[in-house]
Amino acid sequence: AQKVTQAQTEISVVEKEDVTLDCVYETRDTTYYLFWYKQPPSGELVFLIRRNSFDEQNEISGRYSWNFQKSTSSFNFTITASQVVDSAVYFCALNSWGKLQFGAGTQVVVTP
Amino acid sequence: DAGVIQSPRHEVTEMGQEVTLRCKPISGHDYLFWYRQTMMRGLELLIYFNNNVPIDDSGMPEDRFSAKMPNASFSTLKIQPSEPRDSAVYFCASSLGPWEYEQYFGPGTRLTVT
Repeated sequence: AQKVTQAQTEISVVEKEDVTLDCVYETRDTTYYLFWYKQPPSGELVFLIRRNSFDEQNEISGRYSWNFQKSTSSFNFTITASQVVDSAVYFCALNSWGKLQFGAGTQVVVTP
Repeated sequence: DAGVIQSPRHEVTEMGQEVTLRCKPISGHDYLFWYRQTMMRGLELLIYFNNNVPIDDSGMPEDRFSAKMPNASFSTLKIQPSEPRDSAVYFCASSLGPWEYEQYFGPGTRLTVT
């Protein structure tokens, strides 16, 4: 069985602060893929990043960065210098053998 | 290139009525997925297709739910008869592969059953 845990239900920050979203996963598979999706207030789900289980390199894309640590089964996401437009629910997801398992999501609220 | 298209965006219906949700995947994507999102259960995979063939429907809640994919560019999710507990946002997604590729989601259909 696979499981994704996003322990933080909601995080509130003031604009320009950094925010880190935690994601811990469980799987018995040695090959799997991890994803982050963003769901803004408009409701659509937007793909942010994909990482396979063999690639532990951290990744940076603009103000977004991801830290994948296989040893602790974590795939954390950091938004640097947050902006109001970053306000959304962020989902971490795990996929092995065809089923995308989502975490419960973390609501990020960025206030001016 | 157009993304995943879903219709209708909103549907309000009375209990007992038939509801049909529609999806057009991204051209060239061989995999199509139907999800349901509720506050209580989060995002749940209902069923997915590969090359128009249903592969895993273990997430379909009960026999009132059915899904079809008559061709590579169209899929339907039908609920008959609908019940208030079916109220949710239903997402369709498509991808190039079952698990190693990201899934691209449509805008969703918000279903309200009264």
